[in-house]
Amino acid sequence: AQSVTQLGSHVSVSEGALVLLRCNYSSSVPPYLFWYVQYPNQGLQLLLKYTSAATLVKGINGFEAEFKKSETSFHLTKPSAHMSDAAEYFCAVSGGGGSNYKLTFGKGTLLTVNP
Amino acid sequence: DADVTQTPRNRITKTGKRIMLECSQTKGHDRMYWYRQDPGLGLRLIYYSFDVKDINKGEISDGYSVSRQAQAKFSLSLESAIPNQTALYFCATSDFNRGPYNEQFFGPGTRLTVL
Repeated sequence: AQSVTQLGSHVSVSEGALVLLRCNYSSSVPPYLFWYVQYPNQGLQLLLKYTSAATLVKGINGFEAEFKKSETSFHLTKPSAHMSDAAEYFCAVSGGGGSNYKLTFGKGTLLTVNP
Repeated sequence: DADVTQTPRNRITKTGKRIMLECSQTKGHDRMYWYRQDPGLGLRLIYYSFDVKDINKGEISDGYSVSRQAQAKFSLSLESAIPNQTALYFCATSDFNRGPYNEQFFGPGTRLTVL
């Protein structure tokens, strides 16, 4: 069984401030982890993914995430927020082995960037 | 460009009507998925298909049916629509040959309103 918890359904930051979106996962097998972004009226776009190659993962648009097994976390960060980062962000986990087809999503975090 | 397309993009229908949502992809992927998104609930899997002859129920399949007409086409049907099926529906694809990471690619979504 696998699950994802995103802490905070809504995060608000000022332009230029640090962005931190939290994700904790539960998985009975070594997980693959993803962050997707959804801009208004669009589908989901992959930001980055953890596939066990490196614990610090860099993605598009300056985002990165660090896999911490001891904390079962995969938090998303960006050093300096831009207005264009305003969107909803989803963390997802994929189980390994025979269940690797299945992505389980968190409930999402809406990021607001204030000028 | 290779893409995942969904038709229609918006649909308003009445309770009891039959409705079909269509998904096509030019990515050459073998796996296709249907999700629904509700505010505050994230994405939930309705059905998934590994190939034309392999269709499986997801976590919320009641009230829905699907058809995989070809590798590139996967349709979702609501035989008798009800108001609580009002949601944003996404089609997604993935490629088994890309490995176990199961990165999924999403269409732009269909916003369905059932009155």
